[in-house]
Amino acid sequence: SQTIHQWPATLVQPVGSPLSLECTVEGTSNPNLYWYRQAAGRGLQLLFYSVGIGQISSEVPQNLSASRPQDRQFILSSKKLLLSDSGFYLCAWSTGGPTQYFGPGTRLTVL
Amino acid sequence: DAKTTQPNSMESNEEEPVHLPCNHSTISGTDYIHWYRQLPSQGPEYVIHGLTSNVNNRMASLAIAEDRKSSTLILHRATLRDAAVYYCIRVGNSNYQLIWGAGTKLIIKP
Repeated sequence: SQTIHQWPATLVQPVGSPLSLECTVEGTSNPNLYWYRQAAGRGLQLLFYSVGIGQISSEVPQNLSASRPQDRQFILSSKKLLLSDSGFYLCAWSTGGPTQYFGPGTRLTVL
Repeated sequence: DAKTTQPNSMESNEEEPVHLPCNHSTISGTDYIHWYRQLPSQGPEYVIHGLTSNVNNRMASLAIAEDRKSSTLILHRATLRDAAVYYCIRVGNSNYQLIWGAGTKLIIKP
């Protein structure tokens, strides 16, 4: 069966510090991968998606970037965090169809 | 506008059926309706999806109006573990874009 992992589960970072969140998927090959951010009490906002290694599409211009160095690894990064980067970050995968499967998320607080 | 419209919150008693409504009056003929739910501090979980006819699975049933402008997610016997935010989402030709609204917060009373 397929599983998706995200770490860390929680993170507190100062403004201006770098960020690296990792997501890995097991049990499937060549998945579509997604990064979302969720503000408190709101729906999810798609940040990036990837259909293959090295292929990244950005949905929202921002302070973040994404990379896919391996087939089942998706990384979300920032060189300098802003207060507005705080939120719940979710990674998801799909087989190419519309149904997406989500990881447990990372709660990021930027102080 | 690809968003859907849902009530902000609903309450139901434990072990009773729950009907969660969703309006999608501008839906196109090829858009699927998907439902996800999100338990507190967890990632969303797929519940069910459909196009035109009613759908059933082990988690819920989905009733889609004949004109497809609305749909209803039915939990046949709610438990405390069903307390979550339920999202109704239209999925169009681009399979990468799920447009998320604020969803309906379902409160289950024991």
